Amino acid sequence: DAGITQSPRHKVTETGTPVTLRCHQTENHRYMYWYRQDPGHGLRLIHYSYGVKDTDKGEVSDGYSVSRSKTEDFLLTLESATSSQTSVYFCAIGGGTDSNQPQHFGDGTRLSIL
Amino acid sequence: SQQGEEDPQALSIQEGENATMNCSYKTSINNLQWYRQNSGRGLVHLILIRSNEREKHSGRLRVTLDTSKKSSSLLITASRAADTASYYCARPQGGSEKLVFGKGTKLTVNP
Repeated sequence: DAGITQSPRHKVTETGTPVTLRCHQTENHRYMYWYRQDPGHGLRLIHYSYGVKDTDKGEVSDGYSVSRSKTEDFLLTLESATSSQTSVYFCAIGGGTDSNQPQHFGDGTRLSIL
Repeated sequence: SQQGEEDPQALSIQEGENATMNCSYKTSINNLQWYRQNSGRGLVHLILIRSNEREKHSGRLRVTLDTSKKSSSLLITASRAADTASYYCARPQGGSEKLVFGKGTKLTVNP
């Protein structure tokens, strides 16, 4: 398995609170991604990073911000969580401009916002 | 939507039978990728097939790609209970760093 660790694995919080999810990799990949997975929608890209301090938006970026201060860590922040952000969040590494490379996924963070 | 579409949405078979899942897409692609997701786990990459390839094998998995029909299929032969999972196709969005995933096929293999 690719060395990807997501933390926490589970979190329950209240509407309006800030939440930060962490993705840590040991593979030194340049590209890292955050997805959310919801029933009926499959996997949707939130934000991705193509290097330290280099990030870009995905399909569903509203309400989320990201930061990457080190190659190995990619943080996803919900500044003020809403119930619609209840989801399972996956981090991935790999891929990139050589799009003939697959992505490798962490085991996800299950986030519930009450 | 730019998502690929898997078909069927759900498939239930007996151990030993073959399982076929299909994926259709709308735009030209550099490659098409298949992933498996076991319950409660992340996605695991299975096979990547490039646009100039027609068929690719990996163990009991066979993937075909028909770019003229904009479709791909994943065949699992001699299925096992351990193959029970959701299977997703994905393609790079316009040759970019982003992958677009379909909504998946949920496969149940009954012992």
